[in-house]
Amino acid sequence: KNEVEQSPQNLTAQEGEFITINCSYSVGISALHWLQQHPGGGIVSLFMLSSGKKKHGRLIATINIQEKHSSLHITASHPRDSAVYICAVWNYGGSQGNLIFGKGTKLSVKP
Amino acid sequence: KAGVTQTPRYLIKTRGQQVTLSCSPISGHRSVSWYQQTPGQGLQFLFEYFSETQRNKGNFPGRFSGRQFSNSRSEMNVSTLELGDSALYLCASSLASGATEAFFGQGTRLTVV
Repeated sequence: KNEVEQSPQNLTAQEGEFITINCSYSVGISALHWLQQHPGGGIVSLFMLSSGKKKHGRLIATINIQEKHSSLHITASHPRDSAVYICAVWNYGGSQGNLIFGKGTKLSVKP
Repeated sequence: KAGVTQTPRYLIKTRGQQVTLSCSPISGHRSVSWYQQTPGQGLQFLFEYFSETQRNKGNFPGRFSGRQFSNSRSEMNVSTLELGDSALYLCASSLASGATEAFFGQGTRLTVV
């Protein structure tokens, strides 16, 4: 079983819909990242959070440390939101940390 | 402000050879981290350097190594290349080490034949 699980793997939405992508993890973490990867490979860091909720424009990220779960919400989705969304967690064992990635959620927003 | 620059963008190597990839971080950033992305395994963390010291490390064999120079530029080396090392190698730079906002380069596409 992967230490970081994302769902769904693929998601197709109509423009304007509210979208939720989920990330569950099984290890202790110090922080969680949400990343966006567009076709062509470029990766953008959307959020880094260790508790609570963050909002940036139409994007909202939440994390529940007790339940080991995070969600990424996109309000009023747009075709330009089409990308792969990746969750990653920082896990520290001993003196060094390891960043563990989920497999990603491929989002396609249709006009 | 220039972004993270990776060179070369594309590379073809033969099995058994070694390869060195370069990453120049955003000016002022002292942390550089490296990642491997393959269709099968997705993104995987290789290691992170901060102020010329390896601070964090993923689960890769010793064939994968790196270093960071005093100007924060970093190199990643893979020795004795295997076909399975074919991947997109990404680097990212940050102001601080560990859990902090990272800015990614466009990557180096390595093909091992």
